[in-house]
Amino acid sequence: EIVLTQSPATLSLSPGERATLSCRASQSVNTYLAWYQQKRGQAPRLLIYDASNRATGIPARFSGSGSGTDFTLTISSLEPEDFAVYYCQQRFSWPTFGPGTKVDI
Amino acid sequence: QVQLQESGPGLVKPSETLSLTCTVSGGSISSHYWNWIRQPAGKGLEWIGRVYSSGGTNYNPSLKSRVTMSVDTSKNQLSLKLTSVTAADTAVYYCARRYSDGSGYYYDAFDIWGQGTMVTVSS
Repeated sequence: EIVLTQSPATLSLSPGERATLSCRASQSVNTYLAWYQQKRGQAPRLLIYDASNRATGIPARFSGSGSGTDFTLTISSLEPEDFAVYYCQQRFSWPTFGPGTKVDI
Repeated sequence: QVQLQESGPGLVKPSETLSLTCTVSGGSISSHYWNWIRQPAGKGLEWIGRVYSSGGTNYNPSLKSRVTMSVDTSKNQLSLKLTSVTAADTAVYYCARRYSDGSGYYYDAFDIWGQGTMVTVSS
């Protein structure tokens, strides 16, 4: 099983600041990595697929990068609605998710 | 716009079988992979498995011995059965669609999710 590790566990920032979230895989997943945003009481929302492609309707302030074992989700300038938990997900063998990074104020 | 809605009992007794249905509206169930994913309260996400519209399945190895998924194209529904449940199976259960760009290529991400249904295992 491929294990995903996310850091930091919590990121405390203010609106307008830049957020950089990390996801590391226990072995290479090529670029088969996705990012999701989850707000309290809601289902996850797909942000990024294949490491760097924004899903339909996702604002340009969200960007993804990386390949192999190290990946980054960047939010260029935080909006109030961006404070949430973010998960990465890979699909080698079977899909697994990271433990999440909480972005809060 | 495709929407997913999970339904089923909110309370299941230990050792019994959890049965959930996901109804797909606003689009066809055909030519898509449909997934079940769960999330215990305050915890992360766990992929349970997926079923293709033709009936083929893949399951998480850790749950494979207890999981059965199926699809009913006439009703535009998919179902999940999880046997011999314990308290560890208490979670919000989501159905989700594997993302496809419409050209027949399937990405390894989930683009449409249901709102989720809470299932508690307790006597």
